[in-house]
Amino acid sequence: AQSVTQPDIHITVSEGASLELRCNYSYGATPYLFWYVQSPGQGLQLLLKYFSGDTLVQGIKGFEAEFKRSQSSFNLRKPSVHWSDAAEYFCAVSRSGTYKYIFGTGTRLKVLA
Amino acid sequence: SQTIHQWPATLVQPVGSPLSLECTVEGTSNPNLYWYRQAAGRGLQLLFYSVGIGQISSEVPQNLSASRPQDRQFILSSKKLLLSDSGFYLCAWSRLSANTGELFFGEGSRLTVL
Repeated sequence: AQSVTQPDIHITVSEGASLELRCNYSYGATPYLFWYVQSPGQGLQLLLKYFSGDTLVQGIKGFEAEFKRSQSSFNLRKPSVHWSDAAEYFCAVSRSGTYKYIFGTGTRLKVLA
Repeated sequence: SQTIHQWPATLVQPVGSPLSLECTVEGTSNPNLYWYRQAAGRGLQLLFYSVGIGQISSEVPQNLSASRPQDRQFILSSKKLLLSDSGFYLCAWSRLSANTGELFFGEGSRLTVL
């Protein structure tokens, strides 16, 4: 079955520290991968996406993610976290030929001043 | 540019009452439209999606229904709300011609059923 796993429900980091949020997927075909961010009570905003090509993709707000096919992973990283990055982050997967996007359960990020 | 609007933003309804949440997309045509429900700690659950007027696919059997009366309008309804219908409802759209593209989300509607 197709699935997306975000193993960390909560992560706390200090401002200025580096960040890595994990995402693993199970998909029968080459996936299209996304990271979204959600502030409390708001909709989701796309941070970055991977379709093909360079496996390291850059997104908005200084985020990047690396697609590793051998590990079925698409981890999100940021070298230096800002207090405004506190939010919930969702990994999602889709593929050509379907209309479905499968989301992980999210990782809530807390940033300590 | 494209925009997506959802309303109402917040709704408190008694059990057994009807529901209507509306979503409208502007600045594009023939979008794919989606309704998701978000419950705490459970991520986003796809409820319905639509690839055209009057074409609705349901992902989860439930007390809700969806309709697409116009190309850029998507409505989520219920005849009688249950307590379990409480949650945060998100409307989203994607480009029909390239469904590999990302979803664009509305700001959400928080429903509390009492």
